[in-house]
Amino acid sequence: DAEITQSPRHKITETGRQVTLACHQTWNHNNMFWYRQDLGHGLRLIHYSYGVQDTNKGEVSDGYSVSRSNTEDLPLTLESAASSQTSVYFCASSEPGRSSYEQYFGPGTRLTVT
Amino acid sequence: QKEVEQDPGPLSVPEGAIVSLNCTYSNSAFQYFMWYRQYSRKGPELLMYTYSSGNKEDGRFTAQVDKSSKYISLFIRDSQPSDSATYLCAADNDYKLSFGAGTTVTVRA
Repeated sequence: DAEITQSPRHKITETGRQVTLACHQTWNHNNMFWYRQDLGHGLRLIHYSYGVQDTNKGEVSDGYSVSRSNTEDLPLTLESAASSQTSVYFCASSEPGRSSYEQYFGPGTRLTVT
Repeated sequence: QKEVEQDPGPLSVPEGAIVSLNCTYSNSAFQYFMWYRQYSRKGPELLMYTYSSGNKEDGRFTAQVDKSSKYISLFIRDSQPSDSATYLCAADNDYKLSFGAGTTVTVRA
């Protein structure tokens, strides 16, 4: 069965370290997204990609970067982790076109920055 | 101001009650409106979607959109303990989704 996976599921890191969160999907979807979820804020879009070599900033992109070298993967990098980046991170993918409203989410990565 | 506003609750109801969840939005360009359900420590899953104004029913769930008032609603009839989850409203914006904050619902047996 097609799926979307994230790794690691839990991560504790120190302030100032670079951290990369992995996202891998087997649906062959062109669209991929990274969100963070915080209490009271819901899901906020960090970065998104509509295809290989395409990346775009979302509403909370400062301090994060992504790259898309193939269809299946969209890794999220925290350049220099800050305590404000402690959150649960979700990756999602969707088909382009009229069915783009149906995004398939991964299980999430719980990141703690100490 | 967020494009989609949702009362975060929480909401606690007895089994069998009707659950009513609401959101408002500000962007008139939104065409697709969704409700996602998220169980504890899981990723969200699409529950229902509606295109433009109108109602859509799926079993015990009814989604309503009123574009004139920019209002999105979800009703759950005969609620069950298995409906206990966080419900997030969302609107489609050029292949991206704008989410509300989510409302946590607990259905008491």
